[in-house]
Amino acid sequence: NAGVTQTPKFQVLKTGQSMTLQCAQDMNHNSMYWYRQDPGMGLRLIYYSASEGTTDKGEVPNGYNVSRLNKREFSLRLESAAPSQTSVYFCASSMSSAGNEKLFFGSGTQLSVL
Amino acid sequence: AQTVTQSQPEMSVQEAETVTLSCTYDTSENNYYLFWYKQPPSRQMILVIRQEAYKQQNATENRFSVNFQKAAKSFSLKISDSQLGDTAMYFCAFMREGGSEKLVFGKGTKLTVNP
Repeated sequence: NAGVTQTPKFQVLKTGQSMTLQCAQDMNHNSMYWYRQDPGMGLRLIYYSASEGTTDKGEVPNGYNVSRLNKREFSLRLESAAPSQTSVYFCASSMSSAGNEKLFFGSGTQLSVL
Repeated sequence: AQTVTQSQPEMSVQEAETVTLSCTYDTSENNYYLFWYKQPPSRQMILVIRQEAYKQQNATENRFSVNFQKAAKSFSLKISDSQLGDTAMYFCAFMREGGSEKLVFGKGTKLTVNP
């Protein structure tokens, strides 16, 4: 009964380093999302994938890239990390992007960029 | 663009009492969905309750209920018989019809339930 699994849970990077956050869901969902959560802010959408083979920018895509590897997996890559990318990152999935679908969230990745 | 405003950054309530969290939103859409998500210290985002804008009846889930006022664009969450496990951040969220990618969150209200 895993749901949405994110790895790693914690990560510290130096400015300029790169890394990939992994996300996998086992609910056969079509749509997947990456959000970031900053103190005093709600969650903001970075990228989403409405279905396998498609990806689109969200509200704050700069500095990130994504890959929808297959139906289960949706990764987020930071090519050259910056201190402004220090945040908690959440992956989520839903059956579709129809608009009334419940989103299921992973437990988040705390990322610090020094 | 849609915006969601939660005007109470922090609230506290005594165990077993009732508390209401406020949320207002701005949209020109007629059909949309509203949500309350709970984020306990574990960081897990948990859907508490969902309301469809075309439904006049307020949604209820056990001790959680909403007061949805479409004309006023208000969507408050009432927690009855508060329990210690209700201590969490609560986020109000808006989604327009036809696009889960357009889920917009408020900044959250930190609720503390005191014994």
